[in-house]
Amino acid sequence: GEDVEQSLFLSVREGDSSVINCTYTDSSSTYLYWYKQEPGAGLQLLTYIFSNMDMKQDQRLTVLLNKKDKHLSLRIADTQTGDSAIYFCAESSNQGGKLIFGQGTELSVKP
Amino acid sequence: EADIYQTPRYLVIGTGKKITLECSQTMGHDKMYWYQQDPGMELHLIHYSYGVNSTEKGDLSSESTVSRIRTEHFPLTLESARPSHTSQYLCASGQVQPQHFGDGTRLSIL
Repeated sequence: GEDVEQSLFLSVREGDSSVINCTYTDSSSTYLYWYKQEPGAGLQLLTYIFSNMDMKQDQRLTVLLNKKDKHLSLRIADTQTGDSAIYFCAESSNQGGKLIFGQGTELSVKP
Repeated sequence: EADIYQTPRYLVIGTGKKITLECSQTMGHDKMYWYQQDPGMELHLIHYSYGVNSTEKGDLSSESTVSRIRTEHFPLTLESARPSHTSQYLCASGQVQPQHFGDGTRLSIL
């Protein structure tokens, strides 16, 4: 079945760039998402990308998609302590359909 | 800002009680979802609905049930709570793109 994999932890220093990686197995994935979850809260949609795009940039966030390798990354420029959270990669193969989530990457930003 | 609400935010209750977790959205979305999130962080889909009177079981087997009598409302019920039901439950909705999440209900069964 479909699977989404992420590394569990990432630690960076404030002001550095963070790169969170994700791989997926479903070749029919149409939409790929990045969500942020702060402690005790629900999931906040950060950005998403269609499978026919290679890159999407939104302020400090850059999403790169390598469809051939089924690899998705989220780059956060000038990482701040407020960016400390768990970041989930997710994919779906139809519009508004079921999401398959990765395990989440816990980002720790040190001052 | 997405308008999807879950109540209660936290619930601690004894074994054997009947529980209903509420989820409401004001965006008119047809599609609604319930996810279970264990302390290890992974989210698993337990129920979904594509519209009024439509409910389906998700990828993770759950003893809970859901109903969808109105578009904006998608409650989840546990008839007899057990400690194994302790988890966080997240509700989401979406139309075309993407899924918006509520803040979750953190459920603890004693």
